Amino acid sequence: QKEVEQNSGPLSVPEGAIASLNCTYSDRGSQSFFWYRQYSGKSPELIMSIYSNGDKEDGRFTAQLNKASQYVSLLIRDSQPSDSATYLCAVNTTPSGTYKYIFGTGTRLKVLA
Amino acid sequence: DAGVTQSPTHLIKTRGQQVTLRCSPKSGHDTVSWYQQALGQGPQFIFQYYEEEERQRGNFPDRFSGHQFPNYSSELNVNALLLGDSALYLCASSLTGSHQPQHFGDGTRLSIL
Repeated sequence: QKEVEQNSGPLSVPEGAIASLNCTYSDRGSQSFFWYRQYSGKSPELIMSIYSNGDKEDGRFTAQLNKASQYVSLLIRDSQPSDSATYLCAVNTTPSGTYKYIFGTGTRLKVLA
Repeated sequence: DAGVTQSPTHLIKTRGQQVTLRCSPKSGHDTVSWYQQALGQGPQFIFQYYEEEERQRGNFPDRFSGHQFPNYSSELNVNALLLGDSALYLCASSLTGSHQPQHFGDGTRLSIL
């Protein structure tokens, strides 16, 4: 079982719709969770971080965390063509007190105009 | 406020050679992590440096080594290059701590011929 799993996509949504991106993780000791956006040929850009169960909203983005189900998601409301990118889920595990990020393979999102 | 800077941007090497990649962290950050990202994959954790010590290491051979300097900048060295080492090498910096997000540089694209 992979440590962090994401559906590779592509996930295609029409402009203005809600895009839902999902991520599951295997380490129950994980403490913090991050969503990054990566445009083709560019480096990852931090979008959201979440540490507690529940929802966290920032503009058009909402991160959702359920530690019991080991599940984290990202909702993008009013999707725009400029949101088309690969979205990476990163989980911060804490082996021996260090802080190691494990990334999923990413979900490619295509927003259709 | 300068973000994470990496050099060089692109590099072409041949098999068996050695390479050194450089990273300057975001101002105020004390922790530097290095990742390898192959095409179509998520970033793979190589190692993390804090207080000039390697604090955590991913599943990479000893050909991959690093260093952190007193000013928190860091180098990644790869010896005996293989074709499979061709990838985007990303440096990320953060403050130490489990909830601290990592911020990425633009990366170094390494091509092995």
